Amino acid sequence: TQLLEQSPQFLSIQEGENLTVYCNSSSVFSSLQWYRQEPGEGPVLLVTVVTGGEVKKLKRLTFQFGDARKDSSLHITAAQPGDTGLYLCAGSPGYSTLTFGKGTMLLVSP
Amino acid sequence: NAGVTQTPKFQVLKTGQSMTLQCAQDMNHEYMSWYRQDPGMGLRLIHYSVGAGITDQGEVPNGYNVSRSTTEDFPLRLLSAAPSQTSVYFCASSPRALNTEAFFGQGTRLTVV
Repeated sequence: TQLLEQSPQFLSIQEGENLTVYCNSSSVFSSLQWYRQEPGEGPVLLVTVVTGGEVKKLKRLTFQFGDARKDSSLHITAAQPGDTGLYLCAGSPGYSTLTFGKGTMLLVSP
Repeated sequence: NAGVTQTPKFQVLKTGQSMTLQCAQDMNHEYMSWYRQDPGMGLRLIHYSVGAGITDQGEVPNGYNVSRSTTEDFPLRLLSAAPSQTSVYFCASSPRALNTEAFFGQGTRLTVV
């Protein structure tokens, strides 16, 4: 059983569209992180959310941490081809190490 | 700052060969980890270290060894390569704890034939 479930697995959209991807768990997390990974590269940290209900914005990206700290979402407004990549959520439900979801692969076409 | 540097970027091994994947970081982070990334499996933790001289096993440690003689370096050794070890390997370092933000290298794509 995957500790962090991400959905959808794949998303193909046109430039200018909005989208939301999800990261869900049955466990409570002290914090969740979102990473973006481009082909041939390592994951790069986008944001860490810590407080239940917290909303963080990074330009056109909006990250939300669920009130119960079991889920998180990433909303992208007016997607651009440069947003293409694999989006990973990660966290630790009390372990000392980080657990990653399998990711959402986003393709934004011009 | 170079961040986390991994070498080589690509490698092909024959079954039974051994090799070392190199990882170095220049951020003075105490915490370092090795992951493998496989299609449909996500990132899985192989080994990790909480400081020089201290290492421990992650989720998928079999067939791999690590050592941490300095803060900067955390090499991953494949003892006798098997086709099941074909994967992309990522080294990461963390400034505060293993379960907080991680900084990744560019990865090593390993093929075992």
